[in-house]
Amino acid sequence: EAGVTQSPTHLIKTRGQQATLRCSPISGHTSVYWYQQALGLGLQFLLWYDEGEERNRGNFPPRFSGRQFPNYSSELNVNALELEDSALYLCASSNIRDRVLAGGRDQYFGPGTRLLVL
Amino acid sequence: AQSVTQLGSHVSVSEGALVLLRCNYSSSVPPYLFWYVQYPNQGLQLLLKYTSAATLVKGINGFEAEFKKSETSFHLTKPSAHMSDAAEYFCAVSDSPQGAQKLVFGQGTRLTINP
Repeated sequence: EAGVTQSPTHLIKTRGQQATLRCSPISGHTSVYWYQQALGLGLQFLLWYDEGEERNRGNFPPRFSGRQFPNYSSELNVNALELEDSALYLCASSNIRDRVLAGGRDQYFGPGTRLLVL
Repeated sequence: AQSVTQLGSHVSVSEGALVLLRCNYSSSVPPYLFWYVQYPNQGLQLLLKYTSAATLVKGINGFEAEFKKSETSFHLTKPSAHMSDAAEYFCAVSDSPQGAQKLVFGQGTRLTINP
């Protein structure tokens, strides 16, 4: 079974530009989560999408946005990039409705996209 | 709000020695607790989780953790360290069963194994 995939693996942008990061969840998973892992700040929750809707949002400015497509893949968009947006962005997926499988609702992480803002 | 504190940003042990990584949590509701491992240039892998079924939880790669409500702790242990255990370890808490909603992570502990 394929795991969570993310693209691109690395992304270099300049300040003020926009970045688009993509995530494909594990087959059968309907929820996608985005986390930011910035140096010195640890892992912070960004966004949670389920069934195409934004369900929860972390303490990030509105220039961080995203969407989830009908096939449950997701995009994270970061507008007006700032230097401090440089980080590893991790995507995770889960099936929050799975009450049968042990661990069915655990979050499984992808390898991340490393964003560098110059 | 839930939070976790990992004591020690760096831990170094010798190969074959006991590994002990500390995690204390704060939660206003019964917590769901997790340990994840991150190898260099990789994402996070779930090691084990506590969801109230048993206080001693066994995970992958020989790791286990014990939930102690009185101490609000969920420390990770492994009896004998292996070189392949060198990685960063994150403790996380969720207020939903099996992390159905957001996870709140600790700052991480980098584990170094000395030959």
